[in-house]
Amino acid sequence: NAGVMQNPRHLVRRRGQEARLRCSPMKGHSHVYWYRQLPEEGLKFMVYLQKENIIDESGMPKERFSAEFPKEGPSILRIQQVVRGDSAAYFCASSLPGQGQETQYFGPGTRLLVL
Amino acid sequence: SQQGEEDPQALSIQEGENATMNCSYKTSINNLQWYRQNSGRGLVHLILIRSNEREKHSGRLRVTLDTSKKSSSLLITASRAADTASYFCATDAWNAGGTSYGKLTFGQGTILTVHP
Repeated sequence: NAGVMQNPRHLVRRRGQEARLRCSPMKGHSHVYWYRQLPEEGLKFMVYLQKENIIDESGMPKERFSAEFPKEGPSILRIQQVVRGDSAAYFCASSLPGQGQETQYFGPGTRLLVL
Repeated sequence: SQQGEEDPQALSIQEGENATMNCSYKTSINNLQWYRQNSGRGLVHLILIRSNEREKHSGRLRVTLDTSKKSSSLLITASRAADTASYFCATDAWNAGGTSYGKLTFGQGTILTVHP
């Protein structure tokens, strides 16, 4: 059973460009979470999605950031018009649905560098 | 301290010694989880302890939870050089509906260095 997969692993963008980060959850997992980690810091929650639904986006900036988890295909975190402050590691995690299934399994992350 | 804040920030020990890391949090929780992160890598889930549990073991790991003090500790016994990593605690809170919020709140982490 493959783990959570993220691509690309590294992404370099110039200011003003768009960044698209992809996450494929573990097989059977229908809950996806995105977190951001700045250097030397812990992870900060951004958004929680289930298939075709955004459950909680309280940690996501109101502008330029969006996330989706379509019925088919990976979850996408999209950052429009990137700025230098968006440089960070972005981690995706997935979990099984239901009580007692709260363990979140993390992917290797996408390291975004904005020049 | 922030929700899920670890103490100490850095810990340096010799192989074979035990390592203890502490975590404090502020709000009521559903569960508390410990993760390990090697430099520049993703997070590896170590152990989950629920709010109604007081202690849990997994191999060389022992986790305790004191909900009255809103604190948890992670003990790694007989440490190895391969245990060198950052360790994070993360809390998962209840929502008004009595289910998990689903989002984890992480602390800043403890950087553990185990010298051979």
